[in-house]
Amino acid sequence: QQKVQQSPESLIVPEGGMASLNCTSSDRNVDYFWWYRQHSGKSPKMLMSIFSNGEKEEGRFTVHLNKASLHTSLHIRDSQPSDSALYLCAASIYNQGKLIFGQGTKLSIKP
Amino acid sequence: NSKVIQTPRYLVKGQGQKAKMRCIPEKGHPVVFWYQQNKNNEFKFLINFQNQEVLQQIDMTEKRFSAECPSNSPCSLEIQSSEAGDSALYLCASRDRGTGQLYFGEGSKLTVL
Repeated sequence: QQKVQQSPESLIVPEGGMASLNCTSSDRNVDYFWWYRQHSGKSPKMLMSIFSNGEKEEGRFTVHLNKASLHTSLHIRDSQPSDSALYLCAASIYNQGKLIFGQGTKLSIKP
Repeated sequence: NSKVIQTPRYLVKGQGQKAKMRCIPEKGHPVVFWYQQNKNNEFKFLINFQNQEVLQQIDMTEKRFSAECPSNSPCSLEIQSSEAGDSALYLCASRDRGTGQLYFGEGSKLTVL
């Protein structure tokens, strides 16, 4: 069964600190990883996507990908209270239409 | 901002009742997905369509769940005989043809009493 595992399940970070979230797929046919953010009571919104080895940065957000280990990580620097949300990692599998989502990491930023 | 429109936002049904949810995908997005997000935030893929054709669906969907995406009408997801375990947020998403990104609607929150 296709699986996407995220860790940790929940994370508390002080305001201004660095939050690091992890995600691993068990399917070697992953072609893209996606990171979505879902605020409470709202729909998921895409933050970043990555498909090649290495790092991608957009503002305070950085995504890393290691294709050999099928591991991606999301790092949020200078965390703000508005970053408190559920962070979902999703993998799209080559030649399949659907995205497989992980169970999410609940991030809380403490003022 | 996403232009995927889902209705209703909330619905409450008794066990055994039908529950129907609708979705208007973003214009120009040919692929539509339905996901179920339970109270533990677990996402379960239900079904997806390309234009009016089913691409993939899970076994659960084949039994009590039905879905369609007729041309010139909203897509819909219907649960024929609701069970307590169906209580969840049902999210519709459409896929951008160019980037592959999914855009989600705000969801329909189903409570089965």
